[in-house]
Amino acid sequence: EAGVAQSPRYKIIEKRQSVAFWCNPISGHATLYWYQQILGQGPKLLIQFQNNGVVDDSQLPKDRFSAERLKGVDSTLKIQPAKLEDSAVYLCASSSYRGRGHYGYTFGSGTRLTVV
Amino acid sequence: AQRVTQPEKLLSVFKGAPVELKCNYSYSGSPELFWYVQYSRQRLQLLLRHISRESIKGFTADLNKGETSFHLKKPFAQEEDSAMYYCALSVNYGQNFVFGPGTRLSVLP
Repeated sequence: EAGVAQSPRYKIIEKRQSVAFWCNPISGHATLYWYQQILGQGPKLLIQFQNNGVVDDSQLPKDRFSAERLKGVDSTLKIQPAKLEDSAVYLCASSSYRGRGHYGYTFGSGTRLTVV
Repeated sequence: AQRVTQPEKLLSVFKGAPVELKCNYSYSGSPELFWYVQYSRQRLQLLLRHISRESIKGFTADLNKGETSFHLKKPFAQEEDSAMYYCALSVNYGQNFVFGPGTRLSVLP
């Protein structure tokens, strides 16, 4: 199966600018996730979608971050305005239930954001 | 709140030596524990899950609820094992994860 696609691979912006990341999950995967991975740390969940509805956005800084998954397929994560501490790799993942309490989970290659 | 710790940022061993990557977690219920691996220039990928009780690429991990640990072990390290290893915890059947900070394993020739 094709993997989780993300674009762009790299982005450099100045602080206070806006940026958007795009994710196309594996076909048929109902659940989509955005993670933030700051250098030297493990990924941290920002938001989880089930189809086009939000399941968990408790760790999303909603004053500047927003995400949508309008048709239950592709998703966009936006930062407006960006701060220096937003420099990180933004990972998208998708999953589907495989039975017996097990979810098949696949990560994208990520977008590396540098805010200068 | 759930938390995962990995005390070693970097672990260097010689080829053929045993390796153990430590992972401890805090959660009051019954979590699922996972190990994820990221090879150079590749995506994060699942290595193994404690529920499966399997050995993948020679690696095993046993969940010790008394010590709240899930250490990853391999008796004879290979150079191709060099990578970042992340321990992760899930409380909802692997629907989302709390990751540890990761340990970089370097296997020297």
